[in-house]
Amino acid sequence: ETGVTQTPRHLVMGMTNKKSLKCEQHLGHNAMYWYKQSAKKPLELMFVYNFKEQTENNSVPSRFSPECPNSSHLFLHLHTLQPEDSALYLCASSQPRGYNEQFFGPGTRLTVL
Amino acid sequence: AQRVTQPEKLLSVFKGAPVELKCNYSYSGSPELFWYVQYSRQRLQLLLRHISRESIKGFTADLNKGETSFHLKKPFAQEEDSAMYYCALDALANSKLTFGKGITLSVRP
Repeated sequence: ETGVTQTPRHLVMGMTNKKSLKCEQHLGHNAMYWYKQSAKKPLELMFVYNFKEQTENNSVPSRFSPECPNSSHLFLHLHTLQPEDSALYLCASSQPRGYNEQFFGPGTRLTVL
Repeated sequence: AQRVTQPEKLLSVFKGAPVELKCNYSYSGSPELFWYVQYSRQRLQLLLRHISRESIKGFTADLNKGETSFHLKKPFAQEEDSAMYYCALDALANSKLTFGKGITLSVRP
């Protein structure tokens, strides 16, 4: 598959579980992003990675832990989440500097019970 | 901190009617503005950006710095324009976007 892919597409987890979301981009970009999309709220930027280095943490709780092993892969590790963390999590990629278009994945729909 | 406001949640028009989706922003500098669109069952994608000065699918958007607005317009709406539209701002040319809440455009036949 080309573009930005995300797995899994749907995830249901309990508050004591540990799970990970995966994002992969096939566009040769060097910047990757995690966004959270909740009902009735704007799309919220969570983390930014440029050339595998984290350059932005938008005051995200520590129960969300990102990992970027290389410029093509981005993970979001989840542990001891709360029901209010239920949302659509979107991954995006772009070139890192300038007013660049971001390319989005299809998202992972997360439900925390 | 920057903010993007899309004051309406839903706009419903008939095919052929003009469309204006409103976007206002707050930022003290000169940001770059974008419109992203999400069609049904598709992923979020760029529609247009101010810096390109393009018309995409008949849509245009003019940056009005005096009114801090970047409204999206189309003179004659088509049914295939029905989608969710998001206005976004990049304040520092670092590809960190601030999004508005989005507006659903529904074009009826």
